[in-house]
Amino acid sequence: DAKTTQPTSMDCAEGRAANLPCNHSTISGNEYVYWYRQIHSQGPQYIIHGLKNNETNEMASLIITEDRKSSTLILPHATLRDTAVYYCIVRVVNTNAGKSTFGDGTTLTVKP
Amino acid sequence: EAQVTQNPRYLITVTGKKLTVTCSQNMNHEYMSWYRQDPGLGLRQIYYSMNVEVTDKGDVPEGYKVSRKEKRNFPLILESPSPNQTSLYFCASSLKRTGNYGYTFGSGTRLTVV
Repeated sequence: DAKTTQPTSMDCAEGRAANLPCNHSTISGNEYVYWYRQIHSQGPQYIIHGLKNNETNEMASLIITEDRKSSTLILPHATLRDTAVYYCIVRVVNTNAGKSTFGDGTTLTVKP
Repeated sequence: EAQVTQNPRYLITVTGKKLTVTCSQNMNHEYMSWYRQDPGLGLRQIYYSMNVEVTDKGDVPEGYKVSRKEKRNFPLILESPSPNQTSLYFCASSLKRTGNYGYTFGSGTRLTVV
């Protein structure tokens, strides 16, 4: 699986959009980009994933560049409860997607 | 409620005393996996299972065993625990072994080996 690179930490003002970048320059054509978040020491929570196109759900939007080498997770109106560690990972699309590596993630702090 | 259940949530044990951390999911998921999380090292995969009776090593399998006799259960076994296995452990599952499905994680097991 491709390796991902994320900034160690970011701050965001409450009510503003939080834009979390992820670099996955070695991604291959059959790998999805996934985002999870972990609040304190709870189990990580799935947020969103995508292959080529931008995706949106009730939690966030995912913007993937045309060359697929980077992506941005957007939390449109960040709240204090969005303070968490956000992980960007890649996972093979088909057969034997066994190993799945999480990096160190980005610690997002939403401030009042 | 669809969930992954780990037990126990907290465990303190002594070096060398065999222990099992259980993981069970009620979503008929094919794929299950164990991770450990340590400060500064992120989430590291220990073992994973594509389906019943199919298991494979992750990045840090030393000192651990797993089994997958039934689809819903994926226990993590520490035959002879050592202090360096003190960690926060997470079990995860996904519907299929292929990559188009997100993981559901359990609430975690905090293990201390003294």
